Amino acid sequence: QSALTQPPSASGSPGQSVTISCTGTSSDVGGYNYVSWFQQHPGKAPRLMIYEVKKRPSGVPDRFSGSKSGNTASLTVSGLQAEDEADYYCSSYADSSTFVFGTGTKVTVL
Amino acid sequence: EVQLLESGGGLVQPGGSLRLSCAASGFTFRSYAMTWVRQAPGKGLEWVSAISGSGEYTYYADSEAGRFTISRDNSKNILYLQKNSLGADDTAVYYCARVAGSGWSWIFDYWGQGTLATVSS
Repeated sequence: QSALTQPPSASGSPGQSVTISCTGTSSDVGGYNYVSWFQQHPGKAPRLMIYEVKKRPSGVPDRFSGSKSGNTASLTVSGLQAEDEADYYCSSYADSSTFVFGTGTKVTVL
Repeated sequence: EVQLLESGGGLVQPGGSLRLSCAASGFTFRSYAMTWVRQAPGKGLEWVSAISGSGEYTYYADSEAGRFTISRDNSKNILYLQKNSLGADDTAVYYCARVAGSGWSWIFDYWGQGTLATVSS
């Protein structure tokens, strides 16, 4: 199972929006509405930000939103704040009872 | 409060074995599937394995099938990961996570802080 493809980096100024893409195949992203997004600060454990494409766990600001079209999922962070600077990983359930992560995107707040 | 605490990492000789533990508290352990995810230094997240709440069903990444063994002791609320014949590419922080959701909706909602395993002579 190959990793999902994400852009290595993305950036935006405080208050702006940034969107991160996550491209897979019909065997993972395109085949299931089981895409999650995780935020990871340096030296810390990942934190669940979005699950089932667009649902937010309690405690996650509504500035974070998810969507999917075909084999590509997206995470949008609106109203960027300094604390949003982190690595972001998408993930998806995949065929044959496996799970795959994306390659990761480093978000920089300018 | 859900807590997951990994242990068992450290320096391991090439060709040696690794047995990681993840002690869970704050929830009904047997009611949740659990999973292991690893992250090599400076690299991305890599899913390794998962196990059902009862321990009856186990799942592995294609690349790791037959190399890792996941298990759990529901009487002690502990998750395990075992691997033999370690190589340098097994050097990583190993995280355990709780799996919420139903069916194939695997939602990794709580994570431990991770334990670093370094394979080196």
